[in-house]
Parts: sequence; structure tokens; C-alpha cells
Amino acid sequence: NAGVTQTPKFQVLKTGQSMTLQCAQDMNHNSMYWYRQDPGMGLRLIYYSASEGTTDKGEVPNGYNVSRLNKREFSLRLESAAPSQTSVYFCASSADRDTEAFFGQGTRLTVV
Amino acid sequence: SQQGEEDPQALSIQEGENATMNCSYKTSINNLQWYRQNSGRGLVHLILIRSNEREKHSGRLRVTLDTSKKSSSLLITASRAADTASYFCATGSAGNEKLTFGTGTRLTIIP
Repeated sequence: NAGVTQTPKFQVLKTGQSMTLQCAQDMNHNSMYWYRQDPGMGLRLIYYSASEGTTDKGEVPNGYNVSRLNKREFSLRLESAAPSQTSVYFCASSADRDTEAFFGQGTRLTVV
Repeated sequence: SQQGEEDPQALSIQEGENATMNCSYKTSINNLQWYRQNSGRGLVHLILIRSNEREKHSGRLRVTLDTSKKSSSLLITASRAADTASYFCATGSAGNEKLTFGTGTRLTIIP
């Protein structure tokens, strides 16, 4: 039972580079989420997907794009990384918004 | 701005004491959840309380919800060193599928 798997676990990017964070869940969940966590800021919602084929903006979507490739996978793309995007990124999934969410172990991204 | 705000931001207590942390939120909710995060790790779900419930228990955890005040509290009884972690409330708002988190309370249990 893998749960929610995020890759990579660590990444260093140069300003202006692009990358995609991958997330996959094996629990047949409908809802998937991307959050970023900065010191003292808690978790802020970047994008979410309530079902396959749908995505919606969260609190801090600027500079990011997402793809809900299928029911299992929800990727987060940084087209042109900026130092302000240095953070820990968490993917989560749940059956729906009103049930327990399961989290991946996070991706530590540093943009220099 | 974030939906939830936890209070206090940090709390240190002696092992064996009870720990209480509070969460206030801004909009109507369908439910409120509490999560724990150990340093550098992903969040782990603790308990969910629905908007029509006032109190819920799970082991040493007791959660209350007051929708008229838009607030919730998490009580951890007989604290243990292993309870040292950050605790977050999360809300599912009525009318959309968002799950948004508060800013967290950092709990330290002193052995």
C-alpha cells in the first residue's frame, strides 16, 4: 500500500528553469491537492482537482500549472522557477473534500 | 489569506499535562479536520468533526466545534513526548471542493 507518492523528494533549480513535480495515489481517490509549506505559513493550497479532468485554483496559483492526467496522477509544473517558489511541496488525496486526506512525504524545492 | 488560524502558535507543556489548541475559521464549513505533522514529514489525519456535531472523541483526543463562533478546539489529554509535533486544522468549505489549512500550533512536550 504505497498511498500517495511524490517525486522527486529533493530538487535544486536555477531561476528560470522549469520542472514538474509528480504525484500519484493508489487509493482510487477523486480529490487531489497541491500545497506549499513555508516556515510559519502553514499549508497554502496551490491547486486542487475534485475529479479526473477538472482542476481549480487555490489560494496561491500564480506561477504554477497542474494536470490531472488520470484518476491516479496529479502533476504540478513550474514553468519559470523563481526564488519565491523555494518551499516544501505536498501532494494529498482524499475520496472527497469531506473525508480524510492522505499526504505524500513532500518535495523540498530550492530555487537559486 | 488562509481559512484557519490556530492559537497559540506555540505551546510547551510538561509530559502528562493536557494540551489545548484552538482554531478559528472564516466561512461556512461542511466539516473541520485536525492533522498532525512531525518535523519535515507529511501530515497525518487525526479526527474529523462535521458541522452538525459539537464534540467528538478519539482515544486521548477531544475535539469541539462551535459553528456560531466559527471555532474549534483540540484537547490532547495525558500528553506524551511522542505528541511533540505541529497540529493543523483544516476546513472543507460549503460550495466548493477546497480543503484549506490553518497556520498551525507547534506543540512541545517536555519529558
